Amino acid sequence: SQKIEQNSEALNIQEGKTATLTCNYTNYSPAYLQWYRQDPGRGPVFLLLIRENEKEKRKERLKVTFDTTLKQSLFHITASQPADSATYLCALDIGGGKLIFGQGTELSVKP
Amino acid sequence: GAVVSQHPSWVICKSGTSVKIECRSLDFQATTMFWYRQFPKQSLMLMATSNEGSKATYEQGVEKDKFLINHASLTLSTLTVTSAHPEDSSFYICSARDQGLAGGTYNEQFFGPGTRLTVL
Repeated sequence: SQKIEQNSEALNIQEGKTATLTCNYTNYSPAYLQWYRQDPGRGPVFLLLIRENEKEKRKERLKVTFDTTLKQSLFHITASQPADSATYLCALDIGGGKLIFGQGTELSVKP
Repeated sequence: GAVVSQHPSWVICKSGTSVKIECRSLDFQATTMFWYRQFPKQSLMLMATSNEGSKATYEQGVEKDKFLINHASLTLSTLTVTSAHPEDSSFYICSARDQGLAGGTYNEQFFGPGTRLTVL
């Protein structure tokens, strides 16, 4: 079965630094991968989608890379701010819009 | 982006009762909506796919007779937890895929704010 793993449950960094989150998957060749942000007690909010033929995608301070050979995606937040503190989820579409999610990485940005 | 709402945002009920949760796409039509469940400190787990005008399809291990799904219109799906028990206490989240009518990329999904169910 498809398995998605995010590198750590929690990541603590200093304000202004770059946060890097990792998402690894097995047993699947997704056409695209998505990243979401989830705040406590709230539903996920879509951030970025990257397709298999794209190596990198950027949106403001966010950058996502996608290595289909390594079966890995990296999610970067540059110039991090305390407001970026949240749980970040990667997700794969397994067909028909059905998403399977990683367990999430809880990011904490300290001032 | 498109907006998906859920009602209620939280509900407390007694064991054995049924609870209905609504999921609405506010500014776009969604022929397909999805229901997820999230336990504390865990990720979202897909429960079922709600198809407008047809029966829902359930993921393995999800009891279709316990979690009734109705998708009567292009903007509304409901999830009814029947004969709820304390182990059903969880955070239930729906999502809808933008079919292109409200802008955004085709594969982008919009999630509702979630419904916290507590069964006593």
